[in-house]
Amino acid sequence: DAGVTQSPTHLIKTRGQQVTLRCSPKSGHDTVSWYQQALGQGPQFIFQYYEEEERQRGNFPDRFSGHQFPNYSSELNVNALLLGDSALYLCASSLAGGHTQYFGPGTRLTVL
Amino acid sequence: KQEVTQIPAALSVPEGENLVLNCSFTDSAIYNLQWFRQDPGKGLTSLLLIQSSQREQTSGRLNASLDKSSGRSTLYIAASQPGDSATYLCAVEGGATNKLIFGTGTLLAVQP
Repeated sequence: DAGVTQSPTHLIKTRGQQVTLRCSPKSGHDTVSWYQQALGQGPQFIFQYYEEEERQRGNFPDRFSGHQFPNYSSELNVNALLLGDSALYLCASSLAGGHTQYFGPGTRLTVL
Repeated sequence: KQEVTQIPAALSVPEGENLVLNCSFTDSAIYNLQWFRQDPGKGLTSLLLIQSSQREQTSGRLNASLDKSSGRSTLYIAASQPGDSATYLCAVEGGATNKLIFGTGTLLAVQP
């Protein structure tokens, strides 16, 4: 049984560009959450998707947007990249109403 | 607003020593508390989850306690090993949408 997978593993972009990160949830899970982890910090909640809708959002600007597909996989899009967007982006999946989240390995984004 | 603090930020111990990591949170209205392990540049591995109605959970050499009224949790690691070297994060969940709020972590180094 595959766990949570994320792609790509690493990504380098320049300021002002746009990026899309992808996440496939653990088999049977229908809820996907995204977190941003800056170096030396704990992960910060970006948003959560369930039934293809954004269910809750953290304190992130509109440059951060997402999508969930009918197969429950999800994308995180970041527009107009800033140097401060450099971080490890983590995806977590769970069952709706469940409270155990399974994390993927993350995507390391570097903005130059 | 919920805030999670972890002390110490870093800890170095010789192999075989027992150790305690601390986590405190400001709002006692939590649903559960989790301890995670993170290896450098990697995703999160869940170690223990304590429901708000529970006082402690154990898994092998790990024991986590929760005192909701005082806003504190501890992670006890017995007979530490070099393979325990990692960053340990605690996170609280406060609502139905299972959004996690993380501390900044404790970086543990176990010296052989």
